[in-house]
Parts: sequence; C-alpha cells; structure tokens
Amino acid sequence: QKEVEQNSGPLSVPEGAIASLNCTYSDRGSQSFFWYRQYSGKSPELIMSIYSNGDKEDGRFTAQLNKASQYVSLLIRDSQPSDSATYLCAVTLYRGQAGTALIFGKGTTLSVSS
Amino acid sequence: GAVVSQHPSWVICKSGTSVKIECRSLDFQATTMFWYRQFPKQSLMLMATSNEGSKATYEQGVEKDKFLINHASLTLSTLTVTSAHPEDSSFYICSARVPTGAISYEQYFGPGTRLTVT
Repeated sequence: QKEVEQNSGPLSVPEGAIASLNCTYSDRGSQSFFWYRQYSGKSPELIMSIYSNGDKEDGRFTAQLNKASQYVSLLIRDSQPSDSATYLCAVTLYRGQAGTALIFGKGTTLSVSS
Repeated sequence: GAVVSQHPSWVICKSGTSVKIECRSLDFQATTMFWYRQFPKQSLMLMATSNEGSKATYEQGVEKDKFLINHASLTLSTLTVTSAHPEDSSFYICSARVPTGAISYEQYFGPGTRLTVT
C-alpha cells in the first residue's frame, strides 16, 4: 500500500473558482501534514502545515485534516493562473530506528485557465 | 519561512567523476537535513537523513558509498555523488527541519541542483 496517495490530475479549473486537492495516507500514527507547491523545474515551496483535525486557513488556502479517515485536503479559493503548479501532499512517517521522515505523494497538477 | 540555499544550481560532469553539492541553512541552525532526488515527472524520493555530527541514515536502496553525506556544522550539509554515471542524472534537493513546537516542525527546501552526467 502506497504511503501517501494523490490523484495525479490534471485538475483544471477556471480563474476565480475553488480548486480542491485531496490526499490520503496509510500510517495512522502520522502527526504532521503539509502541502507544498512545486512549479516546473523548481523545488517545493511550503504553503500549509496542519497538525490537528479540522480546518486551517491562510489567505486563499484552507487545509483540512481528518485523522480518522486518514485524509487531508487543500482548498484554493479564487484560483489564479499563477496557482498553476503541482501540489504535493507530505506526511510525517515514524520509522522506528530510521527516525521520522517526510514522505511525499506523487502530486496533483493544477491548471487554472484565465 | 526559513531559507535554505544550495550550490551549485546546476552541474554537468563526465561519467566516472565526482560531484559535491552543498546545502546551507542561512538564517537558522539545522541539526537535521535531508537529501531528496527527483526524476522527471516523479515525486521526491528521500535519499538520506543527515544529522549534524553523526553518520547519515540512508534509505533502503540508496548506496551509501556512492552518495557520501557530510553534516559537519549546524548550517552545512554536503552530498558527494562519487563515480557518477548517466543514470545519476537527476534533480537533487536538500531540505532542513525547523521546529515549530514541542514536537512539531516544518521542512524547507533548497532550490535544488540539477545534475547531468554525460
């Protein structure tokens, strides 16, 4: 079973719409969850972190976490063409002696059309 | 957010040579840094965890003798790709962990190094 799963997309939304990105994870012990944005040819940029169940809002971004369902999502309101990128879901995984590591999903490509 | 730098941003080397990539935390001290590799259209794959003052922890399938990691100070970790081959061509990205609470942290990435082995 893959540790972090995302729909690869592409997810296409018109400018001004809400983009909804979803992620599921396999380890019930995971405590920290992150969303990164990665533009083509660039490294990932942290946009949201969430640690407890519920919603967390930051500007146009809202992260939602449901640990019982092992599900985390990212909503982008008023989507802009500049939001077009690959969005990576990342989850901390405790691996015993190997320590804790941040494991990434394959990412969802978002395309916002003007 | 915290700033992580990498050098060089891109490098081309000949097969059989070695390449060193530097990763620095600019405005904070990083006891733990991570090295990832990303092939085109694939996700980030964790290669190793670099701990200041101790040996790196490598992920399964990553050759420790080929990818040498040194974390000699709280602001610098280096990755040396030894005897590079064309299949090592990839985007190498380091990241550093910044505590945000008693047990929580955020992880910031450097800009990456694109390695091409000819």
